[in-house]
Amino acid sequence: AQTVTQSQPEMSVQEAETVTLSCTYDTSESDYYLFWYKQPPSRQMILVIRQEAYKQQNATENRFSVNFQKAAKSFSLKISDSQLGDAAMYFCAYYTGTASKLTFGTGTRLQVTL
Amino acid sequence: DAMVIQNPRYQVTQFGKPVTLSCSQTLNHNVMYWYQQKSSQAPKLLFHYYDKDFNNEADTPDNFQSRRPNTSFCFLDIRSPGLGDAAMYLCATSEGLKAYTFGSGTRLTVV
Repeated sequence: AQTVTQSQPEMSVQEAETVTLSCTYDTSESDYYLFWYKQPPSRQMILVIRQEAYKQQNATENRFSVNFQKAAKSFSLKISDSQLGDAAMYFCAYYTGTASKLTFGTGTRLQVTL
Repeated sequence: DAMVIQNPRYQVTQFGKPVTLSCSQTLNHNVMYWYQQKSSQAPKLLFHYYDKDFNNEADTPDNFQSRRPNTSFCFLDIRSPGLGDAAMYLCATSEGLKAYTFGSGTRLTVV
């Protein structure tokens, strides 16, 4: 079974600084997708960034980028120039067509301070 | 805008009284999911529909049922809610991996 582990229950970053959220996963599949989702206090889950496992290039979306290390099964999220609106719960998630479902990690609560 | 809509946003039900949560989508996605999310925990998949094909997770209690009468609507029925079923229930849709989209959720309170 696939598992996703987020070892940082909470993180804090100062506004305009950079923060990295960690995620590791376990799978025997070779073809899969990884995601970071943001869940603000309003509770709607919003996609931040996605990475296809077959792509070596790390995905980027504006201030958000990932460090995908396939051999190490690691998928960290870097948020640059942090903003107050980035404060939320961040979930790492894994998807494979075999299971056709997202498996989530336990989440990291990010606080952004002035 | 195309979206996933969950009603109601908040639902209070009595212990043991059947309750139904609804989800509708305007995205015309072929897959619809129901997740249960308890406080400060990861969403847990209960079941999903691939078109009309129902897929139940092995550890989903029998107390939880689902219906998908058409592409646009999917319902979550809790036959006899217990205090442990109090949670946020998230509906999501996808077309393969395209735009896996979540609704805003329904927060269920059991009294």
